Parts: sequence; C-alpha cells; structure tokens
Amino acid sequence: KQEVTQIPAALSVPEGENLVLNCSFTDSAIYNLQWFRQDPGKGLTSLLLIQSSQREQTSGRLNASLDKSSGRSTLYIAASQPGDSATYLCAVRPGGFKTIFGAGTRLFVKA
Amino acid sequence: DAGVIQSPRHEVTEMGQEVTLRCKPISGHNSLFWYRQTMMRGLELLIYFNNNVPIDDSGMPEDRFSAKMPNASFSTLKIQPSEPRDSAVYFCASSPDSSGQETQYFGPGTRLLVL
Repeated sequence: KQEVTQIPAALSVPEGENLVLNCSFTDSAIYNLQWFRQDPGKGLTSLLLIQSSQREQTSGRLNASLDKSSGRSTLYIAASQPGDSATYLCAVRPGGFKTIFGAGTRLFVKA
Repeated sequence: DAGVIQSPRHEVTEMGQEVTLRCKPISGHNSLFWYRQTMMRGLELLIYFNNNVPIDDSGMPEDRFSAKMPNASFSTLKIQPSEPRDSAVYFCASSPDSSGQETQYFGPGTRLLVL
C-alpha cells in the first residue's frame, strides 16, 4: 500500500531564506508526483507535476526533484516571501486515477 | 474559465439530516473527483468519474454516501443520514485528461459541520 510522508510537518523561516520541503513514498511504481499549495480555507493549487520519467521540474522560484528509486521528492523554494506562507502537499499517482496525498508541510515565512 | 464551482461553501446541519453537495467541473474536463479532508486523515479520495461514469468508489466510507454525475457539467455528493463524524471539508476536482497524466483542478471546497 502506497504511503506518502512529508517532513517537516511545520516550518517557520525568515523572509529571503532558501528552503527545502521533503516528501517520501513507499512504492516507487508511480505515474507521477505533484506538489500542491493550499491556502487557509481554499482548495489546492497545483505547483509542479513531475512525470515518472522526469527528474525535476522548475517554475519560477520553485524546483521539484524526483528520485523514484529512493522514493523521495524535494520541493526547493528560493528566496522565500511572506506570500509563500501556505500548506504544501505532495501527492503521488501510483496508477490509474488514484492520487495519494501526504499530510502536508505548513510553511510560515516571517517578514 | 471560472474554475471548479462548488456549492454550498458552508453547510451546518443536524445529525440525521440529508446533505447534498454540488460540483460543476471545468468545461471540457472529462474526469471528476470527490475528496474529503480532515485533520485526522488528511485528504482522501472518495470517488472519481470518467466521462460521467463512476470508475472507482472504493473510497466512499459507507452506504450513507452516494455520488452521481448525470451530465458532464454537474455532480452531486449526498450523505443520508449525516453523522457528526462526517464533518470535514469536501473538495471536488476535475481533470482534462483521462490517462491520469494531467493535474487536477480543485474547487474551493464545502465545509460541512454536522451537529
């Protein structure tokens, strides 16, 4: 059974700091991995989608990597800003349409 | 595009009452998903539809839960009778792709409180 774990559960950093969020999954047989952002009281917004054949994806200040063999992914946020404060969820698609979500990392960037 | 639309945004009801949650997916999307999010269990997939047909409802917790998609632009999730443990945020999401390779677009959610 696929399980997704995110560490840390919460993180507080000063503005401008570079940071890394971690995601691990138990079964390396995945179609893709996604990082989502969730703001309080809102739905999820997809940030980056990495297909199983890819190693990383970049969008602006965000970079996500995928190492299937070790069951790990990282989300790197450069030069963090207060507007980056949100919960970040990692999700893997083991096959078909099912998506398994991690519990999320709650990020707070202090001005 | 207005994105995925869910209604109501908030619902407070008493135990035993019927609750109906509504979702309008993004036009042209052929996959639709219902999720439930709680502090204890995180985000869980309840059911997904492809081309209006339920493909997998193994995540539906009990027979009290049912979902329909009568056409490509509308879906409902019904709880009858509702119980306090059903209190959660219910999200609807849609995807343009039937292969599972594309991202899902989430609605704002319905926050349900069963007293």
